[in-house]
Amino acid sequence: QSALTQPASVSGSPGQSITISCTGTSSDVGGYNYVSWYQQHPGKAPKLMIYEVSNRPSGVPDRFSGSKSGNTASLTISGLQAEDEADYYCSSYTSSSTRGVFGGGTKLTVL
Amino acid sequence: EVQLVESGGGLVQPGGSLRLSCAASGFTFSSYWMSWVRQAPGKGLEWVANIKQDGSEKYYVDSVKGRFTISRDNAKNSLYLQMNSLRAEDTAVYYCARGRTYYYGSGLGYWGQGTLVTVSS
Repeated sequence: QSALTQPASVSGSPGQSITISCTGTSSDVGGYNYVSWYQQHPGKAPKLMIYEVSNRPSGVPDRFSGSKSGNTASLTISGLQAEDEADYYCSSYTSSSTRGVFGGGTKLTVL
Repeated sequence: EVQLVESGGGLVQPGGSLRLSCAASGFTFSSYWMSWVRQAPGKGLEWVANIKQDGSEKYYVDSVKGRFTISRDNAKNSLYLQMNSLRAEDTAVYYCARGRTYYYGSGLGYWGQGTLVTVSS
């Protein structure tokens, strides 16, 4: 049950766009359209930002978007804002025994 | 309003046991998959266990199989995690989480505030 692979950190200036990748295998990301993305601020519980690859829950700004190609999913944040600075985690349904796996997390710094 | 409130965390010696509880309110508890997710200090999220609406299916990460048991009581709107043979590497904040919708895989839409489990002598 290996974790999905994410870059450890990304950064961008206010107003810019950034993309965070999430690489898995055909047993998870590539095999199912059940990829989710979470935002976590320090000391807080994670918050669902994207579900089923590209859908936003109610209340999540449309600056956040998701996509998938093969075994790699991506989260794009456009028009970066200071409050977007947080840790971001991808997750996927998996055929392994857990039925769920997270990425290692990416720290987003807004310069 | 959906609320998930964990309890039962604390300091326990290696080899000891602990039972976490999660009290759910604001939704029909019996209609949703439930999960436990943990986060070791300064580390990332790790899926620990999942349980189907009626408790008929349960899934665990390999590192806790045979030591942890997830269960639920739909009459009491409660989720549990029985943790036995605890190890130092089980030290983490444990979150209770609910699926976004009734079918599994559509993301964890609601989370509790977490309860800290510390395994140390």
